[in-house]
Amino acid sequence: DTGVSQDPRHKITKRGQNVTFRCDPISEHNRLYWYRQTLGQGPEFLTYFQNEAQLEKSRLLSDRFSAERPKGSFSTLEIQRTEQGDSAMYLCASSVQGADNSPLHFGNGTRLTVT
Amino acid sequence: AQSVTQPDIHITVSEGASLELRCNYSYGATPYLFWYVQSPGQGLQLLLKYFSGDTLVQGIKGFEAEFKRSQSSFNLRKPSVHWSDAAEYFCAVGPLGAGSYQLTFGKGTKLSVIP
Repeated sequence: DTGVSQDPRHKITKRGQNVTFRCDPISEHNRLYWYRQTLGQGPEFLTYFQNEAQLEKSRLLSDRFSAERPKGSFSTLEIQRTEQGDSAMYLCASSVQGADNSPLHFGNGTRLTVT
Repeated sequence: AQSVTQPDIHITVSEGASLELRCNYSYGATPYLFWYVQSPGQGLQLLLKYFSGDTLVQGIKGFEAEFKRSQSSFNLRKPSVHWSDAAEYFCAVGPLGAGSYQLTFGKGTKLSVIP
């Protein structure tokens, strides 16, 4: 169990640029989640995949955000035309299907700074 | 809608002292409750979880939490705090409903430990 891996750890970009983050879940986990955490707040749910299917999206996920998990393994989160309000820590988590009580295992996050 | 309140933004304790972090939740059915810990710049690590059964649950690192349905509380405790426990602690409730795996987090309590 190598844990949930996220890349990059830090990203600084200028307003208006596009950015893409990657998440590699724990290998046997088929559920994958993206959360966003701003300073002084707890994580907020963005979206959820079961295998390659995106089953839920938060209304926080504006049209500029898109997430994919094409082969049911790693996932990418893209933000187009970044805004300063997008500055946050983006956390990925994974869990196992089959039990409602399967806890989320989080990665170390990607910290995005939009200048 | 589900919600989580952590009334204490910041708590300072002396090393060796006991600790209690408060968490109150609002949820329409039997909740799944979690406590996570986050060190600076890191992701979240699961400390413990409650689904059903014994209302006193044991977690890692010597932490425990007690579910009190009548008070809608799930407070985290540790009898003797170590300097390495300094971190931010998040209480979470979920899932929202059948087929939904969102966790709702509180805003967190930052714990400082005085040597």
